[in-house]
Amino acid sequence: LAKTTQPISMDSYEGQEVNITCSHNNIATNDYITWYQQFPSQGPRFIIQGYKTKVTNEVASLFIPADRKSSTLSLPRVSLSDTAVYYCLVTTGNQFYFGTGTSLTVIP
Amino acid sequence: DSGVTQTPKHLITATGQRVTLRCSPRSGDLSVYWYQQSLDQGLQFLIQYYNGEERAKGNILERFSAQQFPDLHSELNLSSLELGDSALYFCASNPSGGAGTQYFGPGTRLTVL
Repeated sequence: LAKTTQPISMDSYEGQEVNITCSHNNIATNDYITWYQQFPSQGPRFIIQGYKTKVTNEVASLFIPADRKSSTLSLPRVSLSDTAVYYCLVTTGNQFYFGTGTSLTVIP
Repeated sequence: DSGVTQTPKHLITATGQRVTLRCSPRSGDLSVYWYQQSLDQGLQFLIQYYNGEERAKGNILERFSAQQFPDLHSELNLSSLELGDSALYFCASNPSGGAGTQYFGPGTRLTVL
């Protein structure tokens, strides 16, 4: 059973880089980490996915260290519209474990 | 808009009743996932279907069941409802199952009184 934990909340000023960490144990080398963004009363929305080292797309980066005990979502230069709850999802075999969620508030 | 649709948007019912939630996946997606989101349990995986067959089961109660039909839409049936079943229920889909990106619908908010 993959237990995934995240900080409950974070605050950041506009334009800053934000790093959100997800701690997970007992994940295999081919288990995937996916990050989602969720606004109130909406379904989660895909941000980025990877299973090792570093992945970057047009909105975020994902870092997974060699020990695979955690992963970090990096959001460059956040804006007010990035205020939301962020979840990591560990996919292990045919099971899916969401993290506890981090509420990010971006301050003007 | 993810392309995944869920009906109804809101559902209010009483304890002991039975309800059915419906999900239509994105066009071309063969796999459907169901999740429950509540304040105390967070987002929990319930069950996955792929092309009409059950592929994986998570924390789904015995009172709950699901199926996927030949047109690939899916239904989640919740019976003998309890107050604690009040939650948001999300459906997600993707083309081939597994670890691929899941596209989530807007959810159905179930309130059990």
